[in-house]
Amino acid sequence: GQNIDQPTEMTATEGAIVQINCTYQTSGFNGLFWYQQHAGEAPTFLSYNVLDGLEEKGRFSSFLSRSKGYSYLLLKELQMKDSASYLCAVFTGGGNKLTFGTGTQLKVEL
Amino acid sequence: DAGVIQSPRHEVTEMGQEVTLRCKPISGHDYLFWYRQTMMRGLELLIYFNNNVPIDDSGMPEDRFSAKMPNASFSTLKIQPSEPRDSAVYFCASSLNSGGAGDTQYFGPGTRLTVL
Repeated sequence: GQNIDQPTEMTATEGAIVQINCTYQTSGFNGLFWYQQHAGEAPTFLSYNVLDGLEEKGRFSSFLSRSKGYSYLLLKELQMKDSASYLCAVFTGGGNKLTFGTGTQLKVEL
Repeated sequence: DAGVIQSPRHEVTEMGQEVTLRCKPISGHDYLFWYRQTMMRGLELLIYFNNNVPIDDSGMPEDRFSAKMPNASFSTLKIQPSEPRDSAVYFCASSLNSGGAGDTQYFGPGTRLTVL
């Protein structure tokens, strides 16, 4: 079966750095996605990792360790608009099937 | 591109009624997905199609749920009869089939369903 774990909630201060962790145990692995979802809106794509290492995209970076079944999303220079749920999703098996974690609700405070 | 389009955006119905949700994927995308999101269970895949053919419907909760994709630009998710526990946000998503990051799924705005 598939198991994806993320912290339920996190709080951070505007301008700071926050790291959101994701661990997974899946049968087969073809990549890991991070999505951002604001309240009442659809998930939107943030990043994709399939090889070990760090992928940087502006204020957002994502890291993957396949041997450890571990990923994190790093958000720098936090802004109030970054308050949202962050979903870790693993690409498994054949086809284009994504399994999502339950999401981490990030609250950015002044 | 207009992105994935879903209708209606909100639906309120009474238990026992039939509900039909609609989706138009991004033009040129070969894959279409239906998800359900609730506070308790998060985002769950219900069914997905490749080139209009259902590939995996193992997430469809029971026979009350059915989905069709009659052509490349339209899909429906039907619940008959609806029950209060079906209340959730239903998302449609689509993706290309080019591998790697090209398999990114793009989500529609969702349909918020409330069954009274």
